[in-house]
Amino acid sequence: QLQLQESGPGLVKSSETLSLTCTVSGGSINRNSFYWGWIRQAPGEGLEWIGNIYYSGLTYYNPSLKSRVTISVDTSKSQFSLKLNSVTAADTALYYCTRNWGNWYFDLWGRGTLVTVSS
Amino acid sequence: QSVLTQPPSTSGTPGQRVTISCSGGSSNIVSNTVNWYQQFPGAAPKLLIYSNNQRPSGVPDRFSGSKSGTSASLAISGLQSEDEADYYCAVWNDSLDSWVFGGGTKLTVL
Repeated sequence: QLQLQESGPGLVKSSETLSLTCTVSGGSINRNSFYWGWIRQAPGEGLEWIGNIYYSGLTYYNPSLKSRVTISVDTSKSQFSLKLNSVTAADTALYYCTRNWGNWYFDLWGRGTLVTVSS
Repeated sequence: QSVLTQPPSTSGTPGQRVTISCSGGSSNIVSNTVNWYQQFPGAAPKLLIYSNNQRPSGVPDRFSGSKSGTSASLAISGLQSEDEADYYCAVWNDSLDSWVFGGGTKLTVL
């Protein structure tokens, strides 16, 4: 059964770059129709889509974050990654990696990893 | 402020039927299909309804979804205590080129 697992630092300093990796296990990342991406949830708040990537490298980003976000994929490692630069306290959140079928729905989620931005 | 509007909270008693609304517009709900997610405290969201009214394998048929015009609804019949959770609607927004989520609805089973 395919699983997603987030990894990366839990603490990032303000103005620096947040970097997270999602490892896909139990299945291939190179499958047609599947997009891989990130969604975050600030403490006590709702869900915010960050962006998606297709295994070919095609990306879609939330316009409100687009200037600071890069999502990349490494098919050889079955991993995809998130970089968010110039972080502030507002970027403190639980970050989930996700699988999206055909850009129709998010059908698989990782457990999430908490990233705190410190001043 | 979310592009999709959900009531912050709702409640019901066991056995009751409750509905949660999700209000949007022509760039999102009208032109694309709506998905619903269920999230328990401390857990990741789980896909509950996709493509307006489809249930993934394993989701009880007590959960149903519908869409009409600029709004969508999630209905839960035969309410159970284990249904107490947060529920989110989500849809692709054409004008923003972005996925958007509702603010979430906290369901309390009294």
